Amino acid sequence: NAGVTQTPKFQVLKTGQSMTLQCAQDMNHNSMYWYRQDPGMGLRLIYYSASEGTTDKGEVPNGYNVSRLNKREFSLRLESAAPSQTSVYFCASSEAVSYQPNTEAFFGQGTRLTVV
Amino acid sequence: DQQVKQNSPSLSVQEGRISILNCDYTNSMFDYFLWYKKYPAEGPTFLISISSIKDKNEDGRFTVFLNKSAKHLSLHIVPSQPGDSAVYFCAASGTGSARQLTFGSGTQLTVLP
Repeated sequence: NAGVTQTPKFQVLKTGQSMTLQCAQDMNHNSMYWYRQDPGMGLRLIYYSASEGTTDKGEVPNGYNVSRLNKREFSLRLESAAPSQTSVYFCASSEAVSYQPNTEAFFGQGTRLTVV
Repeated sequence: DQQVKQNSPSLSVQEGRISILNCDYTNSMFDYFLWYKKYPAEGPTFLISISSIKDKNEDGRFTVFLNKSAKHLSLHIVPSQPGDSAVYFCAASGTGSARQLTFGSGTQLTVLP
């Protein structure tokens, strides 16, 4: 049972380049999330999806787009990367059928993104 | 302004002793609190939680205490083991404007053998 799988694990981008972070879960969870973690700060929610076909903004959505392709997959796209988007990105999933932050979330290993 | 604060970036404890990790919050709308643990190169994993209707929740070696009047919670690990060495994040959520889960910056716990 792989849980939550993120690809890639590491990425270096030049300012202005675009890329998509992939996330897939095999736990049949309804909700999926994208967080970023910056040094000295806690995880901050970028976007979440409570069900296939629905997405909602979190605390820091600017500069990102997401797609809930199906129940398993939730991708995060940076259209024009900026140095301020250098961070570690975590995808997570939970059983919640709506935004229920109290429900235990299962996290992927993270993607370390550097924008130069 | 950070609404969930973990003021100790790091903590070292001897194996077998008690580890106490602290967390303070400022938003009185928070009514549910969670602790996540994170090992290097891995994602966070859920550890334990507590609702504001309780002041204590215990799960094996882990106990979380909540002091609502002081807006303070703590995680006790007894006895501490080297495998407990990790970063511990406190998180809080509530209602209305406080609905979104808010994480603290984490405390690195090192348990010395």
